[in-house]
Amino acid sequence: AQSVTQPDIHITVSEGASLELRCNYSYGATPYLFWYVQSPGQGLQLLLKYFSGDTLVQGIKGFEAEFKRSQSSFNLRKPSVHWSDAAEYFCAVGSSNDYKLSFGAGTTVTVRA
Amino acid sequence: GAGVSQTPSNKVTEKGKYVELRCDPISGHTALYWYRQSLGQGPEFLIYFQGTGAADDSGLPNDRFFAVRPEGSVSTLKIQRTERGDSAVYLCASSLEPNNEQFFGPGTRLTVL
Repeated sequence: AQSVTQPDIHITVSEGASLELRCNYSYGATPYLFWYVQSPGQGLQLLLKYFSGDTLVQGIKGFEAEFKRSQSSFNLRKPSVHWSDAAEYFCAVGSSNDYKLSFGAGTTVTVRA
Repeated sequence: GAGVSQTPSNKVTEKGKYVELRCDPISGHTALYWYRQSLGQGPEFLIYFQGTGAADDSGLPNDRFFAVRPEGSVSTLKIQRTERGDSAVYLCASSLEPNNEQFFGPGTRLTVL
């Protein structure tokens, strides 16, 4: 069975500082990996995805993530955080054989001025 | 174009009542998914439709939960004899094909008193 761990429940970062959110997955086959963002009262918005190929993936809003198979990780990064990045972030795993996504518990990001 | 829509946005009901939650997927998307998100958790898979048929309902917690998609577009999630533990945000997603990017609706927040 596939599973996702997001070790950090809550992260506080200053506006303009860099951000890194951790994601570790457990899956036997080649995973499809996703990062979603959820703002209060909003649905989940896809930031980026990895299916295959280049392990450094660029997404929307200036986010990027790197797939490291040896570490079973797919960490999300942003070089300079904006106040509008305050939200909850979810890492998810799927695969070519499994259409349903398994989500981590999420990391809440607070941005301080 | 229009995204995934869900109605109602909020539903408050009493224990033991029956509720229906509706999902309108993106036009042309053949795959439709229901997830449930409890407070402080990531979404958990409930059921997946490919066309009109439920291809995988392994995530439904018990037989009080049922979902239909009679014409391969709109889907309704039905919960009988609601319990307080059913309180959660119910998310619907659709994708053009299985294993493609899933687009999520804003969710229905269900509160069972």
